[in-house]
Amino acid sequence: DGGITQSPKYLFRKEGQNVTLSCEQNLNHDAMYWYRQDPGQGLRLIYYSQIVNDFQKGDIAEGYSVSREKKESFPLTVTSAQKNPTAFYLCASTPGRLFAEAFFGQGTRLTVV
Amino acid sequence: SQQGEEDPQALSIQEGENATMNCSYKTSINNLQWYRQNSGRGLVHLILIRSNEREKHSGRLRVTLDTSKKSSSLLITASRAADTASYFCATDAMRSPPVNTGNQFYFGTGTSLTVIP
Repeated sequence: DGGITQSPKYLFRKEGQNVTLSCEQNLNHDAMYWYRQDPGQGLRLIYYSQIVNDFQKGDIAEGYSVSREKKESFPLTVTSAQKNPTAFYLCASTPGRLFAEAFFGQGTRLTVV
Repeated sequence: SQQGEEDPQALSIQEGENATMNCSYKTSINNLQWYRQNSGRGLVHLILIRSNEREKHSGRLRVTLDTSKKSSSLLITASRAADTASYFCATDAMRSPPVNTGNQFYFGTGTSLTVIP
């Protein structure tokens, strides 16, 4: 089955640690996105990538980093510089053309302990 | 910055009633989409309406778009308890010339719908 997979589903981080969230898709989509969702809030864009080896900052990129070495993979690293990382993180992909729907993973809930 | 704002923030109705939620956005768009999110899960695409369309139907869903008012509405008819979820609108920002390799999606703050059996 084609889809987009995020792992892990739950992640706990100690203060000062970097953690990496995985996002893999087998939909052959060009564009991939990372969003952050806080309780009762909408989605805010962290980073997006329209093509391999290229990515752009979204609205809240500070304290996060990404890479796009393969078309299928778009991992997100939450660094120690992110002061309030506890949130629900969602990865999405689109075919990379106009009028295309986004496919979402099931999310990773990150908690700082 | 979030482009869209949904209204109301929360809506509670009885099963069988219709549910209407609205979305307003700020800039010109190529298309507007509606998504559904069950608690603690990812978003699922419901329907896409292009900027040159005014109304679109999909099953029990009806979406309207008024580009002059920069607003859209989602109507769910004959609601069911299984429709309980949060609903988000998402827009892309129109660019000139049109971008052909993906767009940023801007999501609204969502409407939380509860359908009481």
